[in-house]
Amino acid sequence: GEDVEQSLFLSVREGDSSVINCTYTDSSSTYLYWYKQEPGAGLQLLTYIFSNMDMKQDQRLTVLLNKKDKHLSLRIADTQTGDSAIYFCAESPELSFGAGTTVTVRA
Amino acid sequence: DAGVTQSPTHLIKTRGQQVTLRCSPISGHKSVSWYQQVLGQGPQFIFQYYEKEERGRGNFPDRFSARQFPNYSSELNVNALLLGDSALYLCASSLGPGTGNQETQYFGPGTRLLVL
Repeated sequence: GEDVEQSLFLSVREGDSSVINCTYTDSSSTYLYWYKQEPGAGLQLLTYIFSNMDMKQDQRLTVLLNKKDKHLSLRIADTQTGDSAIYFCAESPELSFGAGTTVTVRA
Repeated sequence: DAGVTQSPTHLIKTRGQQVTLRCSPISGHKSVSWYQQVLGQGPQFIFQYYEKEERGRGNFPDRFSARQFPNYSSELNVNALLLGDSALYLCASSLGPGTGNQETQYFGPGTRLLVL
């Protein structure tokens, strides 16, 4: 089975905030990552958080990490149509991915 | 600066054949990792190479092999192809293992392999 779990689908209205959740199992992971994949493309690194941090903000992206519950979330503010993609969280060092969350932005 | 490059972009093979996929890392990166992404799933780790040595291997059969060259580029070989090997093969590079964010991996566009 997978070590990382994510909800499979998220539908959000343009301009609203999106929140994508992820749970992981390896408490020794040093870094946790969020990647974005558009149809037919490779993975684009969005952001990452060091395991001793609780929060990291990077422009429209906010990452929250709850180490006790092994829970990671990605918030996208002011979601745009270009944000429609599959989002993967992954834990280091040999990246272990979940199945990905497909985000659909509707007008 | 160029990102991670992979060749070919697409490939069609038949069962039982062999295939070689190629990857060039970001300049200055010494570690290359390979992942298999089957349609509808997340990427699965196959191999990691650093300084031409294998540093990690995922749960894949011995039909899968790889190597890294002195210029840090890498090849992934798959022998005796099965229909189930049809997937997007992703290469990622990083500075290498260590402290800080040296392990952060940057992905190429992938090679889409179809086995008939």
